[in-house]
Amino acid sequence: DTEVTQTPKHLVMGMTNKKSLKCEQHMGHRAMYWYKQKAKKPPELMFVYSYEKLSINESVPSRFSPECPNSSLLNLHLHALQPEDSALYLCASSPGGGGTYEQYFGPGTRLTVT
Amino acid sequence: AQSVSQHNHHVILSEAASLELGCNYSYGGTVNLFWYVQYPGQHLQLLLKYFSGDPLVKGIKGFEAEFIKSKFSFNLRKPSVQWSDTAEYFCAVNANNQGGKLIFGQGTELSVKP
Repeated sequence: DTEVTQTPKHLVMGMTNKKSLKCEQHMGHRAMYWYKQKAKKPPELMFVYSYEKLSINESVPSRFSPECPNSSLLNLHLHALQPEDSALYLCASSPGGGGTYEQYFGPGTRLTVT
Repeated sequence: AQSVSQHNHHVILSEAASLELGCNYSYGGTVNLFWYVQYPGQHLQLLLKYFSGDPLVKGIKGFEAEFIKSKFSFNLRKPSVQWSDTAEYFCAVNANNQGGKLIFGQGTELSVKP
């Protein structure tokens, strides 16, 4: 299994809602990542988990809260988002947390904040 | 800080034409280099990667790239493009000491006319 899966595929939420994005991989990878991608732009790193510990937080606003319950799962909890947070949220995984591994990307969750 | 530059924002080619997409990075240490492709409506896929060794690397679908350390470049090439190569192409770099932080270029949109 060489897939990274993400649910839901699409999400529409109001600014007062609380929702979560989920990501799962069964490749035995020990690092997982959240990226944000706006239309016609490159992905921007948000968070990195390495061996289930948060290792990088790219100064992301606290309305985004990551969680790594185990080595296969990664969540992104959303609360009080703004319309400018509308984007494609990508999850990725890699065998290890250092720089010498390629990252495998999921299909993303397209988030619209109304 | 690391940065990645892709010089061509939009490239339009006819089928069977040769392709070269430029990528330059700024970082003085040891880097790992990647090209990812994003087909319309699909997720990011790894085309090829360079970690060390032979600077000419071959990837999937007939793509290759050459790492020229003195020029801080990692250009992507394909001798003969097909209509199915229409996609967004991203060059990406991470450094061994950056904990898996992947920095993407702005992307190049390739349109291949049949």
